[in-house]
Amino acid sequence: QVSLKESGPGILQPFQTLSLTCSFSGFSLGTSNMGVGWIRQTSGKGLEYLATIWWDDDKYFNPSLNSRLTVSKDTSNNQAFLKITSVDTADTGTYYCTQRDWGLYYFDYWGQGVMVTVSS
Amino acid sequence: DIMLTQSPATLSVTPGESISLSCRASQSISTNLHWYQQKPNESPRVLIKYASQTISGIPSRFSGSGSGTDFTLNINRVEPEDFSVYYCQQSNSWPYTFGAGTKLELK
Repeated sequence: QVSLKESGPGILQPFQTLSLTCSFSGFSLGTSNMGVGWIRQTSGKGLEYLATIWWDDDKYFNPSLNSRLTVSKDTSNNQAFLKITSVDTADTGTYYCTQRDWGLYYFDYWGQGVMVTVSS
Repeated sequence: DIMLTQSPATLSVTPGESISLSCRASQSISTNLHWYQQKPNESPRVLIKYASQTISGIPSRFSGSGSGTDFTLNINRVEPEDFSVYYCQQSNSWPYTFGAGTKLELK
């Protein structure tokens, strides 16, 4: 059974770097065709797809945030990571990770989400 | 980016009514359109994939139709647990995008 859970700092200040962890079970990023996607939900832009990391370390970034995003993975520990640099209040929202399966372009499995607040 | 426009923004209905929610794409996306339901304080849940394909475990009262730029999510006889927000999402072009949602509320 697939399960994902996000974790993060909760609150951070403008210009800091946001670091999020997705811990998952029921699949492996060591398996071909598996990936983890990151989606956020903000009051300003609603649901926004941010990035994907695949089993072969291929990565895709939303061009609107491309220069600020980094994704990585720890295959042995079933974790994926998202970093967003130089945050501001517009980055406040709930961040989700999702399982990705190559060739499937909808999102079947989501984490519960982690709330992130950017405030001075 | 492909824009998805959902209408109406809010729909007020009574249980037992049958309804249709609209999602319009800014350019043709074939049938690469998926529907989600989100209840308060929960993650979105996929209801329909590729415009009209069913998802295992989703009640049969949910159905989808459309292709190109115009899509519809139908709920046949709304149940009390259906009052939530519905989103469409396109996977035709990167970056994937979502509509702003339609809130289904109790009249």
